[in-house]
Amino acid sequence: GAVVSQHPSRVICKSGTSVKIECRSLDFQATTMFWYRQFPKQSLMLMATSNEGSKATYEQGVEKDKFLINHASLTLSTLTVTSAHPEDSSFYICSARDRSGQGSYEQFFGPGTRLTVL
Amino acid sequence: TQLLEQSPQFLSIQEGENLTVYCNSSSVFSSLQWYRQEPGEGPVLLVTVVTGGEVKKLKRLTFQFGDARKDSSLHITAAQPGDTGLYLCAGAHGSSNTGKLIFGQGTTLQVKP
Repeated sequence: GAVVSQHPSRVICKSGTSVKIECRSLDFQATTMFWYRQFPKQSLMLMATSNEGSKATYEQGVEKDKFLINHASLTLSTLTVTSAHPEDSSFYICSARDRSGQGSYEQFFGPGTRLTVL
Repeated sequence: TQLLEQSPQFLSIQEGENLTVYCNSSSVFSSLQWYRQEPGEGPVLLVTVVTGGEVKKLKRLTFQFGDARKDSSLHITAAQPGDTGLYLCAGAHGSSNTGKLIFGQGTTLQVKP
């Protein structure tokens, strides 16, 4: 149980284009999903908290107009990197918190998406 | 600022050796998780500790939560090359309803055969 998928696993795009990354909880409902960014050999940096049916909460320094987050259902959240530039190249990881785990702070992570902007 | 200091950040050892990774904070956590991540993949949850002084064992891995719930350690006995990876500790604050985790800087472990 507690499987989270991400799609695509890798994407290469040209500078100026937009890229959408999907995060799905496959066998549980997630009221809350989280989006992280990770640089090589570094820890995870939280970008935003995505709540089903409401606006995402962004961490300080993260541009909400650049990283659009939509959490339309209890099993799907999407991150759209708009007008991507080479400095946006990174490993993006989502995680989901099981709705049934009230008081539980365990997060289950997706496999990540490697974004390369040329 | 809520910080979780993880040490060491890099560790290279020979197969069969023991090691300990530490996570320390000045803040109290309601729970603390340990994750292991391999290159190009997402972190995988190893264990969650919630009670001060709690000790959990997972085969050759022993996890301990400090009595004051401000620190935790991960001890690996007789490390194997398959233990190689990035180990992350992450703490949650009970006062927060968002479920946000505070992550340590990570420990990159390399176990040489």
